[in-house]
Amino acid sequence: DTGVSQDPRHKITKRGQNVTFRCDPISEHNRLYWYRQTLGQGPEFLTYFQNEAQLEKSRLLSDRFSAERPKGSFSTLEIQRTEQGDSAMYLCAVGTGGDTIYFGEGSWLTVV
Amino acid sequence: QKEVEQDPGPLSVPEGAIVSLNCTYSNSAFQYFMWYRQYSRKGPELLMYTYSSGNKEDGRFTAQVDKSSKYISLFIRDSQPSDSATYLCAMSPILTGGGNKLTFGTGTQLKVEL
Repeated sequence: DTGVSQDPRHKITKRGQNVTFRCDPISEHNRLYWYRQTLGQGPEFLTYFQNEAQLEKSRLLSDRFSAERPKGSFSTLEIQRTEQGDSAMYLCAVGTGGDTIYFGEGSWLTVV
Repeated sequence: QKEVEQDPGPLSVPEGAIVSLNCTYSNSAFQYFMWYRQYSRKGPELLMYTYSSGNKEDGRFTAQVDKSSKYISLFIRDSQPSDSATYLCAMSPILTGGGNKLTFGTGTQLKVEL
């Protein structure tokens, strides 16, 4: 158990539709991250929250992507007007008091 | 050129073999080095974590970091079929009050055969 719950685990959507993923850390973590992983590649950093503040966003996070962490606990990642290139696994991760990062099981997105 | 290079494999070994997995990197700022194991369609699971150069051992796993060569390794002793997975190296610079943003290799697919 990684202590990070992600929902939904799998999502198939039509191109042009909006999708939202949710990340729920089991315990309080002030640092929360979103990564994206495509087949045959390692995860790539998307964005980072310190409590409720979004402190950094990758160039990968286009205008169609938005992430929130309204109360410093759970987080959502929304993709608007999905494209086939958005098909990937979206990983939520949390940072402990040290420097290690623990990932959730991921949310698979398939855009058809 | 990618900041972190990792041979994608696949690497196939017999049960009981010693496995050596490696990554090279180009960014001298990297100070934290991690190895994650990832089973198919699952999230990465943290295996080993080291800071700066040196060795770290945990059970059948040993992580080595050689910062002078910008080279890190993960050794698995007495490999088991349950070790069959993709192994990802990851690294980051010193925290500067911000997040620990990891840069990953592409992962090496390992298969341990009976």
